[in-house]
Amino acid sequence: DTAVSQTPKYLVTQMGNDKSIKCEQNLGHDTMYWYKQDSKKFLKIMFSYNNKELIINETVPNRFSPKSPDKAHLNLHINSLELGDSAVYFCASSPPGLENEQYFGPGTRLTVT
Amino acid sequence: GQSLEQPSEVTAVEGAIVQINCTYQTSGFYGLSWYQQHDGGAPTFLSYNGLDGLEETGRFSSFLSRSDSYGYLLLQELQMKDSASYFCAVRRGKLIFGQGTTLQVKP
Repeated sequence: DTAVSQTPKYLVTQMGNDKSIKCEQNLGHDTMYWYKQDSKKFLKIMFSYNNKELIINETVPNRFSPKSPDKAHLNLHINSLELGDSAVYFCASSPPGLENEQYFGPGTRLTVT
Repeated sequence: GQSLEQPSEVTAVEGAIVQINCTYQTSGFYGLSWYQQHDGGAPTFLSYNGLDGLEETGRFSSFLSRSDSYGYLLLQELQMKDSASYFCAVRRGKLIFGQGTTLQVKP
């Protein structure tokens, strides 16, 4: 199946831990994104990469570090997890020149206890 | 700055037509998009208006008036499966989403 995939789907961890979320797309897109969706469903961009290069870096704590080993993968590492990091994290990608048309992964529900 | 406003909730019955409005204030503009998200699911792209006017895709249509800073998503022949949240989004370098409208379709 051609799609955007993320692992894990659920992540429950304790405060202070470090965790990673992986994302892969096989759509051949050049641009990938990380979004955070809070409990009120507000969807906000965190990072964007184009062909492995960081192009958008929103006001996100530096505990969050994205890494793009190649244009099909964009991972998110989070250090020293806090309660407020609990949210659903979505990876997305878009075709060249069509940034309005984004394809989202299934999401990773992160719960920090 | 950028902000988008949508109604928080809309309720309609099966078979009806519903319109979800989106007004925006943004400096600069690169089109208005609409996304659908079912509970527990991922946002799914529905439509994009780069120019003024109406775009139709099956039962869904989207409209944009840049002079009025306004757009809407029109859903016709509502089905139960259309119950979801609908987000408008504008692109100004990045995609900025509205708060979403929860549509409940009743039998």
